[in-house]
Amino acid sequence: GESVGLHLPTLSVQEGDNSIINCAYSNSASDYFIWYKQESGKGPQFIIDIRSNMDKRQGQRVTVLLNKTVKHLSLQIAATQPGDSAVYFCAEIPLGSARQLTFGSGTQLTVLP
Amino acid sequence: DAGVTQSPTHLIKTRGQHVTLRCSPISGHKSVSWYQQVLGQGPQFIFQYYEKEERGRGNFPDRFSARQFPNYSSELNVNALLLGDSALYLCASSLLAGVNSYNSPLHFGNGTRLTVT
Repeated sequence: GESVGLHLPTLSVQEGDNSIINCAYSNSASDYFIWYKQESGKGPQFIIDIRSNMDKRQGQRVTVLLNKTVKHLSLQIAATQPGDSAVYFCAEIPLGSARQLTFGSGTQLTVLP
Repeated sequence: DAGVTQSPTHLIKTRGQHVTLRCSPISGHKSVSWYQQVLGQGPQFIFQYYEKEERGRGNFPDRFSARQFPNYSSELNVNALLLGDSALYLCASSLLAGVNSYNSPLHFGNGTRLTVT
């Protein structure tokens, strides 16, 4: 079946460096993508989203890139801080299914001092 | 403004029992969704309600049911609990029924941690 997946389950970066978290999706009909951050003991926190008619969207310290040709999504975090340590999930909504998100299994980001 | 609030935060039940989880959406949000998150995995969609009507259902057995009240709060009910129902149950709200627009992203609460023994 089609699903959202992640390349790496864990990622460690030095404080101050940039982080890149990758996500592969297999549903070519996906229309909308979201990145969530989940800290221990908390629910997923919305970070940034992007629709399939764009290839880049920027927020505060974060950028999402979408490559529809290879069905790849990435989240870039600039100047990573200790507070960025968390599990990051990408999620998708296929075209015509506007009511539910399909999540990947997540990447654990650890920021080293 | 308060975010999505869920109660209780933790719950321990025995196999075969019934459980009710509660959720209050962000003020002004009319859509409530429920997700189940098993340890180490991403959340899985259970239900969506909009304007008190069920608008979407995931691949969960009939033991799972939900409802939405006139004030847009919601309850998730699970009957005949199984050990495999142990998970973090997340409630999320959005402004619109569709959650794929820039002005209606899905916002999650911190969940109810259910342990079935």
